[in-house]
Amino acid sequence: AQTVTQSQPEMSVQEAETVTLSCTYDTSESNYYLFWYKQPPSRQMILVIRQEAYKQQNATENRFSVNFQKAAKPFSLKISDSQLGDTAMYFCAFKGIQGAQKLVFGQGTRLTINP
Amino acid sequence: DVKVTQSSRYLVKRTGEKVFLECVQDMDHENMFWYRQDPGLGLRLIYFSYDVKMKEKGDIPEGYSVSREKKERFSLILESASTNQTSMYLCASRAPGGARDEQFFGPGTRLTVL
Repeated sequence: AQTVTQSQPEMSVQEAETVTLSCTYDTSESNYYLFWYKQPPSRQMILVIRQEAYKQQNATENRFSVNFQKAAKPFSLKISDSQLGDTAMYFCAFKGIQGAQKLVFGQGTRLTINP
Repeated sequence: DVKVTQSSRYLVKRTGEKVFLECVQDMDHENMFWYRQDPGLGLRLIYFSYDVKMKEKGDIPEGYSVSREKKERFSLILESASTNQTSMYLCASRAPGGARDEQFFGPGTRLTVL
């Protein structure tokens, strides 16, 4: 079974700083997808970024980028020029392409951006 | 914009009651999901549905059942609520083959069982 681990329960940084959230996963599948989701306080969870395992290039969406190394299996999220609106719970998630294709989530990291 | 709504933001029930949590999506998505979210455990999948009248157990189905009679609506049922079912419940929907393979989440229902 796939497992996803986020070992940082909480982080805080100052506005405009760069912050990196860590995630590791374990799977025997050769092809899969990885996601970072964001859950702002009292608001709905939204997708931040997606990485396809068969792509060599790390995904980037504006200020958000990932560090993906398929062999070593870390999957970190880097937020550049952090903003107050980035304050949220962040969840890393895995989805295989075999079987039920369900999302497996990590425990979450609560990120606070301080003014 | 995709919209996923849940019938209640907050719900308080007593042990042994039958509880219905409703989820509605307006984008004709085939797939729908029910998760529970607990501190330190992240989101865990309870049940999901690939299409109308189809359902599959997730990782923690015990004590729950679901119903999907119409494509837009996915209901989670707690047959006899217990205190260990106190949690945040999140519904999500997804269109297979979407460009970002994204799940769209509802606002959540915080259920307290006394």
